Amino acid sequence: SQTIHQWPATLVQPVGSPLSLECTVEGTSNPNLYWYRQAAGRGLQLLFYSVGIGQISSEVPQNLSASRPQDRQFILSSKKLLLSDSGFYLCAWSTSGVDEQFFGPGTRLTVL
Amino acid sequence: EDQVTQSPEALRLQEGESSSLNCSYTVSGLRGLFWYRQDPGKGPEFLFTLYSAGEEKEKERLKATLTKKESFLHITAPKPEDSATYLCAVQGTDSSYKLIFGSGTRLLVRP
Repeated sequence: SQTIHQWPATLVQPVGSPLSLECTVEGTSNPNLYWYRQAAGRGLQLLFYSVGIGQISSEVPQNLSASRPQDRQFILSSKKLLLSDSGFYLCAWSTSGVDEQFFGPGTRLTVL
Repeated sequence: EDQVTQSPEALRLQEGESSSLNCSYTVSGLRGLFWYRQDPGKGPEFLFTLYSAGEEKEKERLKATLTKKESFLHITAPKPEDSATYLCAVQGTDSSYKLIFGSGTRLLVRP
């Protein structure tokens, strides 16, 4: 069966510091991968998606970036965090040709 | 612009008191509508996919239905463990991978 991991689970960072969140998927090959952000009391917002290694599409222009160095690894980064980057970050995967997306446990990021 | 609106924002039920959650959507062409359950501090858990008007899906006490403009999640005889936030999302035919989410309905079932 497929499993998706995210780490860290929680993170508190000062404004202006760098960020690296990691997501890995097990039990499937060549998944589509997604990064979402969920603000308190609001719906999920798609940030990036990837259909293959090195292929990244951005949905929201901001100071975040994403990379996919390996087939089942997706990384969310920032060079300098803003207060507005605080939120719950979720990684998800889907199988090409199948529409359902399956989510990881999430990372709670607080920028102070 | 594709949009999803969920109502009510919050719902309190007594155990055994059946009710429905609403998801209204605006999309140029519907590829699929998805329901998820989210517990506090956790990632959403996939429940159902609906593709065409008239389609229905069931899982335990939950039943999802779809019309051309909205979807309902019916909860029959809920139990306290059904307490969670229920999220609705749509995928349009012109946005292959993007899910547009509503802000969710927070359901509390009291014993």
